[in-house]
Amino acid sequence: SQTIHQWPATLVQPVGSPLSLECTVEGTSNPNLYWYRQAAGRGLQLLFYSVGIGQISSEVPQNLSASRPQDRQFILSSKKLLLSDSGFYLCAWSGANYGYTFGSGTRLTVV
Amino acid sequence: DAKTTQPTSMDCAEGRAANLPCNHSTISGNEYVYWYRQIHSQGPQYIIHGLKNNETNEMASLIITEDRKSSTLILPHATLRDTAVYYCIVSYGTSYGKLTFGQGTILTVHP
Repeated sequence: SQTIHQWPATLVQPVGSPLSLECTVEGTSNPNLYWYRQAAGRGLQLLFYSVGIGQISSEVPQNLSASRPQDRQFILSSKKLLLSDSGFYLCAWSGANYGYTFGSGTRLTVV
Repeated sequence: DAKTTQPTSMDCAEGRAANLPCNHSTISGNEYVYWYRQIHSQGPQYIIHGLKNNETNEMASLIITEDRKSSTLILPHATLRDTAVYYCIVSYGTSYGKLTFGQGTILTVHP
């Protein structure tokens, strides 16, 4: 069966510090991968999506970047966090015969 | 992807059917209607999806009008655990399309 792992669950980081959130998928190959962010009291905003290794599409300009070094690994990064980067970050995957499956999320607080 | 319009909030008594409407008047012929829900502080959960015909699974039923310009998600016997934000999304499908989340409907199930 397919599973998606996302960590850490919670993170408190100071302004200006770097960020690295990791997401991995098991039990499938060549999934589409997505990073979403949900600010407090707001809807989900698609940040990045990837259809293959090294292929990243950015939906909105921001202080973040994404990378896909392996088929089932998706990483969200920042060199210097801003207060506005606080939020609930969700990784998701989809495949030819499967709908979107979301990870459990990372709650990031930038202080 | 076509946009959707949903009521901001709805209430339902426990044990009753919850009928959540969604308008998608600009839907194209190849776009599916997806429903997801998000319980507080969790990732969105897939409920059901359909193209033209009505669909039913163990969670819910999806009724799509003949012109496909609107749909209704039905939770036949709502429980307190069904309290969540429900998102109606139209997309070409998870293999090719990105899911764009709107604000959704906040469904509150009362005892």
